[in-house]
Amino acid sequence: DGGITQSPKYLFRKEGQNVTLSCEQNLNHDAMYWYRQDPGQGLRLIYYSQIVNDFQKGDIAEGYSVSREKKESFPLTVTSAQKNPTAFYLCASTNQGLAAKNTGELFFGEGSRLTVL
Amino acid sequence: LAKTTQPISMDSYEGQEVNITCSHNNIATNDYITWYQQFPSQGPRFIIQGYKTKVTNEVASLFIPADRKSSTLSLPRVSLSDTAVYYCLVENTGFQKLVFGTGTRLLVSP
Repeated sequence: DGGITQSPKYLFRKEGQNVTLSCEQNLNHDAMYWYRQDPGQGLRLIYYSQIVNDFQKGDIAEGYSVSREKKESFPLTVTSAQKNPTAFYLCASTNQGLAAKNTGELFFGEGSRLTVL
Repeated sequence: LAKTTQPISMDSYEGQEVNITCSHNNIATNDYITWYQQFPSQGPRFIIQGYKTKVTNEVASLFIPADRKSSTLSLPRVSLSDTAVYYCLVENTGFQKLVFGTGTRLLVSP
């Protein structure tokens, strides 16, 4: 079945370490997103990508980095520069590409919960 | 980008109809309105999308007035399993920065 797969589901990090969260989709979607969610809060946009080899900063990009070398993959690296990385991270995709004439629904992965020890 | 405003929380009882309103005063001509539902520790899932007037599917209805500055998600006869956070999102064709608002936390009681 088509969908979005995030891994790992749970991740623990020591302070000062970089960690990479994986996001893979087989929906043939052009656009992909990373959101961060803190307990009891809404979703905040970290980075998004509309097409391969291109991505833009969202509202809270500091301390994070991404790449989009393949259409189906959009990994997120949480760097040591991110001072408070403990959170629930959600990846999403949509077929709402640059040339889209209609909006598409966002499909989300099951999330990755990162805890800094 | 059209900013959205929703009530932070709502309470209801099983079997009642629930209406959640979202304000989006600076919505643009090409913007659509989409609603998502999120359960704890899960990603949001699509409920319904509309552009104007009324849209209905098997789980909800979406009412959008002529000026499109607000929208109302209507959940008929809610059950305990409808307890979740509901997000209103304004999406633009071809414009990709999808920013969620704070959402509305709905609590359904027996």
